[in-house]
Amino acid sequence: AQSVTQPDIHITVSEGASLELRCNYSYGATPYLFWYVQSPGQGLQLLLKYFSGDTLVQGIKGFEAEFKRSQSSFNLRKPSVHWSDAAEYFCAVAWNAGGTSYGKLTFGQGTILTVHP
Amino acid sequence: DAMVIQNPRYQVTQFGKPVTLSCSQTLNHNVMYWYQQKSSQAPKLLFHYYDKDFNNEADTPDNFQSRRPNTSFCFLDIRSPGLGDAAMYLCATSRALPGQGEQYFGPGTRLTVT
Repeated sequence: AQSVTQPDIHITVSEGASLELRCNYSYGATPYLFWYVQSPGQGLQLLLKYFSGDTLVQGIKGFEAEFKRSQSSFNLRKPSVHWSDAAEYFCAVAWNAGGTSYGKLTFGQGTILTVHP
Repeated sequence: DAMVIQNPRYQVTQFGKPVTLSCSQTLNHNVMYWYQQKSSQAPKLLFHYYDKDFNNEADTPDNFQSRRPNTSFCFLDIRSPGLGDAAMYLCATSRALPGQGEQYFGPGTRLTVT
């Protein structure tokens, strides 16, 4: 069965520092991978996605992620964190478990990002 | 702007009193999803519609039902809410493209059960 692991439950960085959030997946086929961000009390916003092609994908708000098939990873990065980036980040993989299971997502447990001034 | 709208944003109901949450979308997507998200947890898929075809997750309690009267609207009905049903309920939509799964989420409805 497919699964997504985000090893870090909580990460704290200083404003202006670089950031890397880890994500590992377990899936038997070519994955479709996503990072979503959720601010407190809000829905999820798509940061970026990987379907195929270039393994380094650019997203919104200055985020990027790199797909590494050999490591089953899709880590999220940002070179310089802003205070407004404080939120919870979810990695997710899409799978198709049959004719009616279009785009069902399996989420990781999330990583809470705290940004110190 | 095309979007996913959820009403109300906050809902308080009494233990055992039926409640309905609403979701609408202007994206004209075929697929609509309902998720339950409890504090500090990942969203958990309850069910989804592909057009009018309803797909229930195996572990979704019978207490949760859904209706999709047309492409734009989808409702989540909780027939007899328990204290354990207090959560954020998220609606999402996607195109019917197998396996890609890019979903667009609404802002959520925070349900409190008293």
